[in-house]
Amino acid sequence: DAGITQSPRHKVTETGTPVTLRCHQTENHRYMYWYRQDPGHGLRLIHYSYGVKDTDKGEVSDGYSVSRSKTEDFLLTLESATSSQTSVYFCAIRGSGTENQPQHFGDGTRLSIL
Amino acid sequence: AQSVAQPEDQVNVAEGNPLTVKCTYSVSGNPYLFWYVQYPNRGLQFLLKYITGDNLVKGSYGFEAEFNKSQTSFHLKKPSALVSDSALYFCAVRDGNSGYALNFGKGTSLLVTP
Repeated sequence: DAGITQSPRHKVTETGTPVTLRCHQTENHRYMYWYRQDPGHGLRLIHYSYGVKDTDKGEVSDGYSVSRSKTEDFLLTLESATSSQTSVYFCAIRGSGTENQPQHFGDGTRLSIL
Repeated sequence: AQSVAQPEDQVNVAEGNPLTVKCTYSVSGNPYLFWYVQYPNRGLQFLLKYITGDNLVKGSYGFEAEFNKSQTSFHLKKPSALVSDSALYFCAVRDGNSGYALNFGKGTSLLVTP
């Protein structure tokens, strides 16, 4: 399995609080992605990174920010959580060299916002 | 935009029977297609990909997929289903933008009964 660790695995918090999710990789891969998984929607891209300090928005980026200060860590922040952000969040990584390499996923963070 | 559709929310198969999970795609240019499987409380695991070449792609755990350009389909198949194949299956297409992120279908739940 690809070396991807997401933390925390589960979190319950209240509306309006800030939340940060962490993705840590040991593969030294250039590309990292954050997706959210919701029933009936599959997985949707929130943000992605193509290198240290290089990030960009995905399909559903409103209400989320990201940071990547080191190759191995990609952080997803909800500045002020809302109930609509209750979801399962997945981090994925992909090596460079060829854009046809598959992505490999972490085990996810289940986030509940009350 | 590159997209895929999975027309079935659920597929039921008896153990030992062949299984098919359907996926159709809509892309501009050449499609880069992937299948992933998700077991409960786990991340997505890569099964196989089609980039170019043979229309029949072989992947992990005895799965294969048939690429059909005229029908714009990429159906996942297995000759003999196992109970342990019961899981959620996602078809995905590579996005030409967004750092080559993946656009996913909504997923198909496969239930294999003894």
